[in-house]
Amino acid sequence: AQSVTQPDIHITVSEGASLELRCNYSYGATPYLFWYVQSPGQGLQLLLKYFSGDTLVQGIKGFEAEFKRSQSSFNLRKPSVHWSDAAEYFCAVGGATNKLIFGTGTLLAVQP
Amino acid sequence: GAGVSQSPSNKVTEKGKDVELRCDPISGHTALYWYRQSLGQGLEFLIYFQGNSAPDKSGLPSDRFSAERTGGSVSTLTIQRTQQEDSAVYLCASREDGLGYNEQFFGPGTRLTVL
Repeated sequence: AQSVTQPDIHITVSEGASLELRCNYSYGATPYLFWYVQSPGQGLQLLLKYFSGDTLVQGIKGFEAEFKRSQSSFNLRKPSVHWSDAAEYFCAVGGATNKLIFGTGTLLAVQP
Repeated sequence: GAGVSQSPSNKVTEKGKDVELRCDPISGHTALYWYRQSLGQGLEFLIYFQGNSAPDKSGLPSDRFSAERTGGSVSTLTIQRTQQEDSAVYLCASREDGLGYNEQFFGPGTRLTVL
């Protein structure tokens, strides 16, 4: 079955600290992988995506993610978190039709 | 340019009533998607339109849900005889067609509350 698992429902980090959000997927074909961010009352915004090639992808707002096929993972990282990064983060997988399967999300809180 | 817009932003209805939710995609985008975001279920795919092809309805949860896309642009999601479990945020996304993958752009959503 196709699925995405985000094991961390809620994470709190201090401003300036590093961040890693975990994502594991199950997908029968070559996956397209995505991270989206949703701020309160806002729609989903694409942070970054992976299709092929270099397994370390750079996105907006200083985020990056690494695709590890052997671990079926696509973890999101940021070296130094800003208070404005507080939001909910969703990992998603898709295929040729680009119909997305989302994880349940990780809610990030940033402490001053 | 203008993004994906959805209306209404909020809808409160009584159980058993029908509702219509509207999505205006980005001009020129040929692919349109509906998703539902609810507590306990996360974000779920509902339906996908691509050009003039038959829509992929595989995510619709019951026959009370239907959607259409007129003229390859505006889409309406209709829920008949609403139930309390239909309460959720309904998100629409559109995508420019082309080779490979193009980003899906999401609208702000319609929050549906069924009393």
